Amino acid sequence: GESVGLHLPTLSVQEGDNSIINCAYSNSASDYFIWYKQESGKGPQFIIDIRSNMDKRQGQRVTVLLNKTVKHLSLQIAATQPGDSAVYFCAETMEYGNKLVFGAGTILRVKS
Amino acid sequence: DGGITQSPKYLFRKEGQNVTLSCEQNLNHDAMYWYRQDPGQGLRLIYYSQIVNDFQKGDIAEGYSVSREKKESFPLTVTSAQKNPTAFYLCAIRDRGPSGGYTFGSGTRLTVV
Repeated sequence: GESVGLHLPTLSVQEGDNSIINCAYSNSASDYFIWYKQESGKGPQFIIDIRSNMDKRQGQRVTVLLNKTVKHLSLQIAATQPGDSAVYFCAETMEYGNKLVFGAGTILRVKS
Repeated sequence: DGGITQSPKYLFRKEGQNVTLSCEQNLNHDAMYWYRQDPGQGLRLIYYSQIVNDFQKGDIAEGYSVSREKKESFPLTVTSAQKNPTAFYLCAIRDRGPSGGYTFGSGTRLTVV
């Protein structure tokens, strides 16, 4: 079926450490996978995306890895900061990009 | 929020009432979406519209209605048929980039009193 899920509901990290947020997906036909960050009371914000024919993509302090063999997606945040505390969602494009299916989310808590 | 505006930010509804949530965009985008978010959960698609005067049901359309009379506006009505309407409602537009990612509004928190 169409579903995108996350392994860990909550992740606590020490400020300055690296964070890794994981996501499993079930549909192999998606063109893109996208990570969003949602702060409390706000709408999700785009972080980074990766096309299905890529294994890795880097942004500023973030890296997304895609393992199509095991249908696994991860978001790595380097030198995690208190401002990174939020809920992180992975999402999967469906129907040629006309639909976006979201996972349940992971709460990232950064300890100072 | 990148040219997409949702209002009001907070909305209270009595049981049995219909309420309408506003979503306006000034980015001239064709595709607009409504999502519902419950506490501790992800986003679920209610309705979406690819073009003016056309819209499609999402995964949880029951108890909701929409219209798309103008390109810049995509209002969502939560009807009395929606038995559990308390949630955070998010409107989005589809970006023009290749990934088809969305830009979201700031949301409307609806509470039934």
